[in-house]
Amino acid sequence: KAGVTQTPRYLIKTRGQQVTLSCSPISGHRSVSWYQQTPGQGLQFLFEYFSETQRNKGNFPGRFSGRQFSNSRSEMNVSTLELGDSALYLCASSLVASPAGNEAFFGQGTRLTVV
Amino acid sequence: DQQVKQNSPSLSVQEGRISILNCDYTNSMFDYFLWYKKYPAEGPTFLISISSIKDKNEDGRFTVFLNKSAKHLSLHIVPSQPGDSAVYFCAASNSGNTPLVFGKGTRLSVIA
Repeated sequence: KAGVTQTPRYLIKTRGQQVTLSCSPISGHRSVSWYQQTPGQGLQFLFEYFSETQRNKGNFPGRFSGRQFSNSRSEMNVSTLELGDSALYLCASSLVASPAGNEAFFGQGTRLTVV
Repeated sequence: DQQVKQNSPSLSVQEGRISILNCDYTNSMFDYFLWYKKYPAEGPTFLISISSIKDKNEDGRFTVFLNKSAKHLSLHIVPSQPGDSAVYFCAASNSGNTPLVFGKGTRLSVIA
């Protein structure tokens, strides 16, 4: 059974540009959550989608957005990139919404560097 | 306002000894707690969890203790092995109704 797949693995962008990251959840999983990991800040919740609907949103500016498609694949977009957006972006998939613990499986992440 | 706190950014332990990683939380609505382990260039992987109705959960070398009155939990690894060297994240949720809230992580180094 394939795991959570995030593409691309690495990305370098220039300030002011926009970027789109992709996440393919485990087959059959309908919930996808996104997290940002920066040094010293742990994993900060961005948003959660379940059956194409955003269920929860973290405390991030409107430049961060996402969506989920009918096949449960999800994308997140960051517009007008800032240096501080450089981070590891992690996607987690689960069968149910707002999973508690071991039902959530993480991908390897996309390392975004903004220069 | 950080709801889940891991106050030790790093910990170094000798192989074979006990590793104790600590976590404090402020939100009394949290009732499910988890530990994740993360190696470089990989996503976090689930390690062990505990519900608020328990005060201890054990899985092999890993034991999690929960002290609800102190809003504190800890992860014990006995005996520690070099392969345990990783970043450990503490996380909490409210009956699965809210997304997981993570701490900043503790980097554990097990020295052979």
